[in-house]
Amino acid sequence: SQQGEEDPQALSIQEGENATMNCSYKTSINNLQWYRQNSGRGLVHLILIRSNEREKHSGRLRVTLDTSKKSSSLLITASRAADTASYFCATDPIQGAQKLVFGQGTRLTINP
Amino acid sequence: GAVVSQHPSWVICKSGTSVKIECRSLDFQATTMFWYRQFPKQSLMLMATSNEGSKATYEQGVEKDKFLINHASLTLSTLTVTSAHPEDSSFYICSALRGSQETQYFGPGTRLLVL
Repeated sequence: SQQGEEDPQALSIQEGENATMNCSYKTSINNLQWYRQNSGRGLVHLILIRSNEREKHSGRLRVTLDTSKKSSSLLITASRAADTASYFCATDPIQGAQKLVFGQGTRLTINP
Repeated sequence: GAVVSQHPSWVICKSGTSVKIECRSLDFQATTMFWYRQFPKQSLMLMATSNEGSKATYEQGVEKDKFLINHASLTLSTLTVTSAHPEDSSFYICSALRGSQETQYFGPGTRLLVL
């Protein structure tokens, strides 16, 4: 399978705590993207990090990328109940014609 | 922003019937759209790439005669599930590329239930 791996598969934390999700992939990439999906809904684009970037921030989100290890992490700081959702990483492989390869996802639950 | 809509949002049909799902880019032109399928609590699996004015490119294992894709304009792609069976029940999501941007903009999805 070309799909990436995400861990943990499920994460439950208290509101206000930080949440970290990890993603590993298999091929060389142009970029890696993180998406959020609320139950039964479409995907919302969170952040894109290119292969020549190591870290990127957007509000309470921090993404890192280690191309040597073929891995990425998403950190959500000061979590809120509204952050409860599934989070997916998706890679844009080199020579992949922009066909995204999605990880298995992490189901995040923020407890109030 | 870049908005993508899908219609219908959900559909229930009898086995053997065909169902058409529309994907529209509302405020931008999309030469390329993608169709994904998602089973409950699973990830998205790419089914096909839809290019305006040309034939769709299907991923390995996806039957092109079963899942007909038409991308007749720069803002509309359709997926028709032909002779639907219960195993075709799933959540179908489309996405669109805006120009040369790297980000795919996703529609809200269509839930299909085949009885």
